[in-house]
Amino acid sequence: GIQVEQSPPDLILQEGANSTLRCNFSDSVNNLQWFHQNPWGQLINLFYIPSGTKQNGRLSATTVATERYSLLYISSSQTTDSGVYFCAVERTGTASKLTFGTGTRLQVTL
Amino acid sequence: KAGVTQTPRYLIKTRGQQVTLSCSPISGHRSVSWYQQTPGQGLQFLFEYFSETQRNKGNFPGRFSGRQFSNSRSEMNVSTLELGDSALYLCASRRTQGGGLAVSSYNEQFFGPGTRLTVL
Repeated sequence: GIQVEQSPPDLILQEGANSTLRCNFSDSVNNLQWFHQNPWGQLINLFYIPSGTKQNGRLSATTVATERYSLLYISSSQTTDSGVYFCAVERTGTASKLTFGTGTRLQVTL
Repeated sequence: KAGVTQTPRYLIKTRGQQVTLSCSPISGHRSVSWYQQTPGQGLQFLFEYFSETQRNKGNFPGRFSGRQFSNSRSEMNVSTLELGDSALYLCASRRTQGGGLAVSSYNEQFFGPGTRLTVL
């Protein structure tokens, strides 16, 4: 099956700092999503980004499908950004099955 | 528009029992998928239903089963519970049409709050 690797596994930042999270995947995809899992376990949609660049407030994401990676940028981090960030992909030709990375655990301190 | 809802939110069972979890997708979404999240294995795909038919299945034993109703609501059942079945069970829905992927944004999946199952 497709492999999804996220880095770094853990990240500690001071409030106001910027960060870049990376997601590498091993095959062509027709769906790539970034999620933030809150402390109660719910996965919050950040971006649906199989290719290209998107921005939403302090967050932005870029996927370079031909090179099989995606980046999530968090600028001016806030304590509420703390949590686990997951990248998930759906390999081309496999309907509906998202394969998740192991996540990046982000802690933003004052 | 209401999001994906799951019931119950928390459940405690004992080994050998069975459990049924319920998921109501976003209105207009016809595809429902189920995922299991554990500390050891992370997030893993269980199965996906579309138009009351199982369209894809992950690598889980036959004790895990599901179904979808004509209104797109879905249930999953786990029989003969084991300690290792303790997990967060997440349901996701998306709008996708059957077969082709004519509108790529239909692929985006939206998750419910999950059911946290503890097996004692």
